Amino acid sequence: QVQLVESGGGVVQPGRSLRLSCAASGFTFSSYDMHWVRQAPGKGLEWVALISFDARNKYYADSVKGRFTIFRDNSENTLSLQMNSLRAEDTAVYYCAKDIGNSGYPDYWGQGSLVTVSS
Amino acid sequence: DIQMTQSPSSLSASVGDRVTITCRASQAISNYLAWFQQKPGKAPKSLIYAASSLQSGVPSRFSGSGSGTDFTLTISSLQPEDFATYYCQQYNTYPSTFGPGTKVDIK
Repeated sequence: QVQLVESGGGVVQPGRSLRLSCAASGFTFSSYDMHWVRQAPGKGLEWVALISFDARNKYYADSVKGRFTIFRDNSENTLSLQMNSLRAEDTAVYYCAKDIGNSGYPDYWGQGSLVTVSS
Repeated sequence: DIQMTQSPSSLSASVGDRVTITCRASQAISNYLAWFQQKPGKAPKSLIYAASSLQSGVPSRFSGSGSGTDFTLTISSLQPEDFATYYCQQYNTYPSTFGPGTKVDIK
């Protein structure tokens, strides 16, 4: 069955960097687009980024463009999110999610990793 | 960016009730609309995609409809495990965007 396990979250100071990872199993990782979605404490869902199955195409929310980079390693079945110049408003649970194919619809989600940006 | 709105923002209902949630897009998105359920402290669960297609394993009491800018999620007979927050998402255009959510709680 599809499994997505995020790691790398924690407490980081404003302006610093952090990298999240998502280990995927139970499906052919290299055939599917992948998403990052986040949720600030007590708030709704916010789509963050998508990377195509072959890493040729990447899309970002305006709120993270230029600061966050999504990338993947299809040989290791791993999705990553490099987060630079972090701000307090980046504090959230970050979910990785598998796309149903290459449509933009996330059909399976990980359990999330909490990132807290605080001095 | 495409803005998504949902109504109502919250509702109270009883087990067995028929519940309808509305989602509206700021511009036409064809049928590139999905619905998700989220319970407190848990990851979202995918329910419906392409406006009306049921995700595998989702009970048939959930259904979706709509096209263009106006969409609905219907729960035909509310069950105890359905009390949660529901989100719509458009994936017609990047950046993809979610609605603000509708909380369904017990009357």
